[in-house]
Amino acid sequence: AQTVTQSQPEMSVQEAETVTLSCTYDTSESDYYLFWYKQPPSRQMILVIRQEAYKQQNATENRFSVNFQKAAKSFSLKISDSQLGDAAMYFCAYRRTGNQFYFGTGTSLTVIP
Amino acid sequence: NAGVTQTPKFQVLKTGQSMTLQCAQDMNHNSMYWYRQDPGMGLRLIYYSASEGTTDKGEVPNGYNVSRLNKREFSLRLESAAPSQTSVYFCASSHFRDGKNTEAFFGQGTRLTVV
Repeated sequence: AQTVTQSQPEMSVQEAETVTLSCTYDTSESDYYLFWYKQPPSRQMILVIRQEAYKQQNATENRFSVNFQKAAKSFSLKISDSQLGDAAMYFCAYRRTGNQFYFGTGTSLTVIP
Repeated sequence: NAGVTQTPKFQVLKTGQSMTLQCAQDMNHNSMYWYRQDPGMGLRLIYYSASEGTTDKGEVPNGYNVSRLNKREFSLRLESAAPSQTSVYFCASSHFRDGKNTEAFFGQGTRLTVV
């Protein structure tokens, strides 16, 4: 079975600083997709960024970027210029070609003013 | 565009009662999912439906049943609620077309408490 591991249950960052959230995954597949979701206190699951495994270039979305290391099965999320609104639970997710998504246990991010 | 709509948003049940969580999506997605979220455990898949007319068990299916009523709707039923089913439940949908997967789109969740 595929597993997704987020080894940092909690992280904190000063406003305007940069923080990196870690994620590793286990798979024998070569073609798959990786995602980071944000869950603010409202409970809504919001897609932050996605990465297709066949693409070597790391995905970026404004202040959010990933470091995708396929051989190491690592997929970290970097948040630059952190803002108070970035405070949330962040989930890493894996999806192979097919249908099922697998989620990590989440990292709770606190942004300190 | 409503996306994925779940009802109800909150529910309290007594042990042994039954209920159905409703989910509908208006994005013409093939696949739909039910997850439960518990503290420290992330999101765990209960059941999913790859396409209309098919359903499959996920990681934690015991105590639940599902129905894919049509392409839009995917319901989750608790036949005899137990306190261990106290959780936040999410419905999600996604698309698979031309070899490409989309991300999962989520409903707003249902907070269920079984007393």
